[in-house]
Amino acid sequence: GDSVTQMEGPVTLSEEAFLTINCTYTATGYPSLFWYVQYPGEGLQLLLKATKADDKGSNKGFEATYRKETTSFHLEKGSVQVSDSAVYFCALTANTGNQFYFGTGTSLTVIP
Amino acid sequence: DAGITQSPRHKVTETGTPVTLRCHQTENHRYMYWYRQDPGHGLRLIHYSYGVKDTDKGEVSDGYSVSRSKTEDFLLTLESATSSQTSVYFCAISESSETQYFGPGTRLLVL
Repeated sequence: GDSVTQMEGPVTLSEEAFLTINCTYTATGYPSLFWYVQYPGEGLQLLLKATKADDKGSNKGFEATYRKETTSFHLEKGSVQVSDSAVYFCALTANTGNQFYFGTGTSLTVIP
Repeated sequence: DAGITQSPRHKVTETGTPVTLRCHQTENHRYMYWYRQDPGHGLRLIHYSYGVKDTDKGEVSDGYSVSRSKTEDFLLTLESATSSQTSVYFCAISESSETQYFGPGTRLLVL
């Protein structure tokens, strides 16, 4: 079945460090891919998305490229800030029945 | 921000009692979802709805039921709460397969 696997956390980085959070997926057909972010005590917010192969989603300095050949959608940011501390979820929908599948989340802490 | 509210935001209840959580949307989106979030498991789908009176089970539906009598409201009922149902519950909505929008969550503690 459809699924998402993302790297285990927690991840701790110093401010201005480079961030990569790995995400790979298994899906039939051509899924849409998403990154969501959850700040403490809040619900999930859409960070970025890509709907077809080779698309790059970007928002707030974060980027992820939909790689069909490696079934991956890794999240990157060139210079993290303390305010980026949150839990990040990779997700997909395979456009069948409108179900979404989420990874287990990766906790990021950025220290000054 | 999408107009999604959840009530109550926090609840403490006792084992064996029924509990109903409410999700209300003002976006007129067709699809509504209930998830639970637990450490080490991420988000797991409990039930979802694809229209008024149209619902289906998700990954972890045992012990839960849902109802959707109006487009804007999606109710989740724990028929007889157990300690294993202590969790944070999130409602989400979507109009298509493009994006889900999440509510603020309900923290439920079953003693």
